[in-house]
Amino acid sequence: AQSVAQPEDQVNVAEGNPLTVKCTYSVSGNPYLFWYVQYPNRGLQFLLKYITGDNLVKGSYGFEAEFNKSQTSFHLKKPSALVSDSALYFCAVRDNTGGFKTIFGAGTRLFVKA
Amino acid sequence: SAVISQKPSRDICQRGTSLTIQCQVDSQVTMMFWYRQQPGQSLTLIATANQGSEATYESGFVIDKFPISRPNLTFSTLTVSNMSPEDSSIYLCSVKMGGSYNEQFFGPGTRLTVL
Repeated sequence: AQSVAQPEDQVNVAEGNPLTVKCTYSVSGNPYLFWYVQYPNRGLQFLLKYITGDNLVKGSYGFEAEFNKSQTSFHLKKPSALVSDSALYFCAVRDNTGGFKTIFGAGTRLFVKA
Repeated sequence: SAVISQKPSRDICQRGTSLTIQCQVDSQVTMMFWYRQQPGQSLTLIATANQGSEATYESGFVIDKFPISRPNLTFSTLTVSNMSPEDSSIYLCSVKMGGSYNEQFFGPGTRLTVL
């Protein structure tokens, strides 16, 4: 069965500092991995995804994520945080066996302080 | 990408009544989904809306409580029936196009409060 863990309910970082939001996953086959962001009172927006190939993927708003197969992790990163990055971030996984069901993590609230 | 609209954006309903939420997409999509999200919490998949056939429900969700229609490739409705305060939540429509590796797009959500 697929599962996703986001071990931190909240991440606090100062503006200008690098940020990391952690995600680990479990799937039976090879994973498709996604990050979504939800700003207050808005729907989820897609940030980036890993399908195959380069372990470092780049996405919207300067975010990137590193796929680590041995650690089954897909941490979201940004070199320099902005106050406007403050939002709720969801990691999601789907297996690559042709299924369509996506499992979402519990979410991590990122708070960037000016 | 896809642009998704939902109606209503929010509603306050009385216990025992039903509410139908509409989801409209600006392009034809392969798959449509309905999720429930408690504010600030994760998403729970209710069902996959299948065009021209009955929806596929996840464990814990039944058709009598959450009937779904999908008459074409751009539109779907979710009805929350015989509501109770426990149904208070945000209901999200989501779509996916193309291959299984593609991301999903989400509507803005319908915030439902049941009194």
